[in-house]
Amino acid sequence: SAVISQKPSRDICQRGTSLTIQCQVDSQVTMMFWYRQQPGQSLTLIATANQGSEATYESGFVIDKFPISRPNLTFSTLTVSNLSPEDSSIYLCSVSGEGNQPQHFGDGTRLSIL
Amino acid sequence: RKEVEQDPGPFNVPEGATVAFNCTYSNSASQSFFWYRQDCRKEPKLLMSVYSSGNEDGRFTAQLNRASQYISLLIRDSKLSDSATYLCVVINFNKFYFGSGTKLNVKP
Repeated sequence: SAVISQKPSRDICQRGTSLTIQCQVDSQVTMMFWYRQQPGQSLTLIATANQGSEATYESGFVIDKFPISRPNLTFSTLTVSNLSPEDSSIYLCSVSGEGNQPQHFGDGTRLSIL
Repeated sequence: RKEVEQDPGPFNVPEGATVAFNCTYSNSASQSFFWYRQDCRKEPKLLMSVYSSGNEDGRFTAQLNRASQYISLLIRDSKLSDSATYLCVVINFNKFYFGSGTKLNVKP
C-alpha cells in the first residue's frame, strides 16, 4: 500500500491562528480524504480533496474554516483556520484507489489549542 | 438510522479467549467491506477485507452475511496485543462509512 507522510505530527497553537497540515503520498492516488477524530470519538469526515478543483465538504464543515488544496495526485493540505479550543483533535488524511479500494491513513496530526 | 452500527463495547476477555464482533449496515447495495484496527492515539490500520465467501488470516476470520446485512470479525486465541478498537467500514458507490468502533480489552 501507499506510504503516507503527514506533517506536522503534532502542534500546539494559539487561539485565532491557523495551522496547515500536509499529506504527501509516495504514489499517485485517486482519492484523498481529511478526517477529524476527537478523543474517544469516532472518525468524522471533513471533506474529500479533489485534484484541481474545490474539495467536497461534509455537512457541518465549510471551506472558510477548513480550506483544502490538492494540486496533484500525491499531495494535499488541510488548513484549520481561526483556531479555538474546540478544534483540539487528531486530524488524519487518508487515501484510496479506484474501485472500492480500502483507505489507508497517515499517522495523524495531534492539534492542541492554548 | 446510521449506515453502519457497531456495539461500542468494551469487550473484556481473558488471554486465549475467542471473541466475535458484529457490524450491521443499512444499505443492501453496499459493495465492499473491511475491518480496521485502531490503537489508542494511533491512526486506523486495515486489518482485513471481508469477502462474500468469508476469509481467514491467522487467528482472524471475517464473514459477510448479505441476507442479514452484517459483517463479523472473529478473533481466536486472543493476545494482549489484540487490545484495540475495531472499526468496520462499508463502501456504497465510492462513499465510505465507518462504524464508531468496538473496543476490545484482552486481560492477562
